[in-house]
Amino acid sequence: QSVLTQPPSVSGAPGQRVTISCTGSSSNLGAGYNVHWYQQVPGTAPKLLIYLNTNRPPGIPDRFSASKSGASASLAITGLQAEDEGDYYCQSYDTRLNVYVFGAGTKVTVL
Amino acid sequence: QVQLVESGGGVVQPGRSLRLSCAASGFPFSSYPMHWVRQAPGKGLEWVAVISYDGSDDYNAAAVKGRFSVSRDNSKNSLYLQMNSLRPEDTAVYFCARRFWQHPGYFDYWGQGTLVIVSS
Repeated sequence: QSVLTQPPSVSGAPGQRVTISCTGSSSNLGAGYNVHWYQQVPGTAPKLLIYLNTNRPPGIPDRFSASKSGASASLAITGLQAEDEGDYYCQSYDTRLNVYVFGAGTKVTVL
Repeated sequence: QVQLVESGGGVVQPGRSLRLSCAASGFPFSSYPMHWVRQAPGKGLEWVAVISYDGSDDYNAAAVKGRFSVSRDNSKNSLYLQMNSLRPEDTAVYFCARRFWQHPGYFDYWGQGTLVIVSS
């Protein structure tokens, strides 16, 4: 059971918008800790997608956006493309467990 | 450019030891805290350990506490994970990752990972 809860999968047709939720608690997101998002294509290393709740690293398309409110966060992908298929993980820090925590991951499928 | 390259993985029997290495290049290694994150086959990401930029402080996840130890040699731009008393549940791809920003920060660069299989 992950400390951060994500839906197992989301899917959409090319060009559509999909969102991935990440729900935490009062000891992580709700305590004010930032959330970060990673994209992982199977067989490769995770790649930083969003940092400090809403920021995109250089080279990440603006089709990817994210938000955080209280103990919840979400990642949105607009204009879905085939190359967006993969697993997406949210990550934060938990002050009760004193560890870095990840969501279980959400598999994005482009129909 | 920033590069992190892990090595040292392989097949090991339960109860035995293994030492992973992570060679860093393209950035001032001694200025950054470094982490190990693992991923069991078909599973999600699990944080394992962190070491401070100068190696003076480190911390492990409960699942590996007392069995794994993280260290670094800044003169060699290298990070290590000594894994003792290995268990089948330690089977995973192990990634090293650079932490950016003040604690707790986030992982801005990752290595490609090295696979550890614990099996008799």
